[in-house]
Amino acid sequence: GAGVSQSPSNKVTEKGKDVELRCDPISGHTALYWYRQSLGQGLEFLIYFQGNSAPDKSGLPSDRFSAERTGGSVSTLTIQRTQQEDSAVYLCASSPGREETQYFGPGTRLLVL
Amino acid sequence: AQKITQTQPGMFVQEKEAVTLDCTYDTSDPSYGLFWYKQPSSGEMIFLIYQGSYDQQNATEGRYSLNFQKARKSANLVISASQLGDSAMYFCAMRENNAGNMLTFGGGTRLMVKP
Repeated sequence: GAGVSQSPSNKVTEKGKDVELRCDPISGHTALYWYRQSLGQGLEFLIYFQGNSAPDKSGLPSDRFSAERTGGSVSTLTIQRTQQEDSAVYLCASSPGREETQYFGPGTRLLVL
Repeated sequence: AQKITQTQPGMFVQEKEAVTLDCTYDTSDPSYGLFWYKQPSSGEMIFLIYQGSYDQQNATEGRYSLNFQKARKSANLVISASQLGDSAMYFCAMRENNAGNMLTFGGGTRLMVKP
């Protein structure tokens, strides 16, 4: 079956602009996660959605970052007023439920100039 | 303290030989899971193998096995009969079941397989 998909695959933006990154999880997976991978910080958790529960936002680095998940499926990660330190690969993962293996998408490579 | 430590930034292995990638972890949660992922140069994270903290047997998946030593808090990945396609970054990760469902990752090990 289809895996996790993310779009765009690459995004170049100017400092101060807003960006939206999209994630389509594996069909039927109730849990969805966003991570960030950067040279300086490695792989970091950002936010987690499970079904209709309130998301776990404990990993979001600042209030410029937000995410939503519509209809329990597609998720959008929004970064407002981008900064150069936001440059990273943003990875989305999904799992069938809690405490199950997470499967990752190909990532969105964000470059803030 | 680091929750996941991978002490080998880079490793070489000869094709067809076995290689062990080290991972130690730190948690006080009695219920946790340990994962290994492979990240080739293409960037995607590929799930390889999982070990639960209560599993009695070491996990195996094809050429991958996990050497789980609970008392030492280590979860080393063993790759048997290395292939050129095994060249990639390898990440060890932990999920603490009583601290949310997110994964905490180690810094990774870059494995290079020599022909």
